[in-house]
Amino acid sequence: AQRVTQPEKLLSVFKGAPVELKCNYSYSGSPELFWYVQYSRQRLQLLLRHISRESIKGFTADLNKGETSFHLKKPFAQEEDSAMYYCALSYGYSTLTFGKGTMLLVSP
Amino acid sequence: SQTIHQWPATLVQPVGSPLSLECTVEGTSNPNLYWYRQAAGRGLQLLFYSVGIGQISSEVPQNLSASRPQDRQFILSSKKLLLSDSGFYLCAWRQRSSGNTIYFGEGSWLTVV
Repeated sequence: AQRVTQPEKLLSVFKGAPVELKCNYSYSGSPELFWYVQYSRQRLQLLLRHISRESIKGFTADLNKGETSFHLKKPFAQEEDSAMYYCALSYGYSTLTFGKGTMLLVSP
Repeated sequence: SQTIHQWPATLVQPVGSPLSLECTVEGTSNPNLYWYRQAAGRGLQLLFYSVGIGQISSEVPQNLSASRPQDRQFILSSKKLLLSDSGFYLCAWRQRSSGNTIYFGEGSWLTVV
């Protein structure tokens, strides 16, 4: 069965420090991976998807099929990056499976 | 452009009372529609999804049900709420022609007392 694992519930860093939010998945087929973000008092929104291979708000994520990982990275964290981050896996056309989320806190 | 709305935003209901959360999507046709529940420490749990009018798939057996009476309307219901039904409920949609990205509504906070 498909599964998404985010091992850290909370990640606390100082402003300017590098950030890596870990995500591992299990799926036997060819998955599509996403990162969603939920800022305080805002709706859950798409941050980036692996097929786009883009950088959004300084964040990047590379799909590593060998390690079945899709870690989210940013070289220099900003206070406004503080939010809840969810890794998600899509299979087929029907559903999206989410990890349990990682709360990122960036302190000044 | 497409928009999604769900209501009510907050709801406090006594145990044993019925529930109806509504969700509508505008600016698109024949979307996939979803109901998720977001609980602390448990992440986002898919409850129901629908690929068309009257077509409902349940992912988790529970005290809730879903219906899709119209193409762009998705309703989450319960006949008798339990304390464990408390949580944050999110409606979402995906347009199949635009890939697998899912877009979420604002969410509804349900507190069962």
